[in-house]
Amino acid sequence: GDSVTQMEGPVTLSEEAFLTINCTYTATGYPSLFWYVQYPGEGLQLLLKATKADDKGSNKGFEATYRKETTSFHLEKGSVQVSDSAVYFCALKVSNDYKLSFGAGTTVTVRA
Amino acid sequence: DGGITQSPKYLFRKEGQNVTLSCEQNLNHDAMYWYRQDPGQGLRLIYYSQIVNDFQKGDIAEGYSVSREKKESFPLTVTSAQKNPTAFYLCASSPRGAGSSYNEQFFGPGTRLTVL
Repeated sequence: GDSVTQMEGPVTLSEEAFLTINCTYTATGYPSLFWYVQYPGEGLQLLLKATKADDKGSNKGFEATYRKETTSFHLEKGSVQVSDSAVYFCALKVSNDYKLSFGAGTTVTVRA
Repeated sequence: DGGITQSPKYLFRKEGQNVTLSCEQNLNHDAMYWYRQDPGQGLRLIYYSQIVNDFQKGDIAEGYSVSREKKESFPLTVTSAQKNPTAFYLCASSPRGAGSSYNEQFFGPGTRLTVL
């Protein structure tokens, strides 16, 4: 079945540090890939997405590139801020399926 | 503003009681979903509905029930048969159901249910 594996947290960083969260996937079809972010006590918000190989999604300084050859969609940000503290979820959806398959989430804490 | 509302934000219930969580959307989306979130785990799908008056079980439907009488509403009932109901419940919607790989899902703010 379809599944997503993302690096375990928690991850603690200082402001202006570089952030990478690894995400790899297994899919029976050709998936679209997503990163969602969840701030404390809130629902999920879409951070970025990519729908085909070599696409790069970007938003709010975050980037992720759809790598079909390595089945990966790693999230990166060059200089994090305290406001980036949140839980980040990698997810996939294949075209003939109704649901998103989520990774377990990675908790990121940025300290001033 | 268009969006998804869930109420209440916090909910407490005693063991053996049924409780209904509300989810309303004004995005004119066809599909709606209920997920459960537990600490350290990803989201797990409980039920989904692609059109009015139709819904299907997700991965963890036991102990839950839903209805879809209106396009904008998709309430979830947590029944006394659910053995471990304490969790954070998230409702989502999307413009279309299966058939398009490009559709993202839009999430509500969630309801935290605690069984006392």
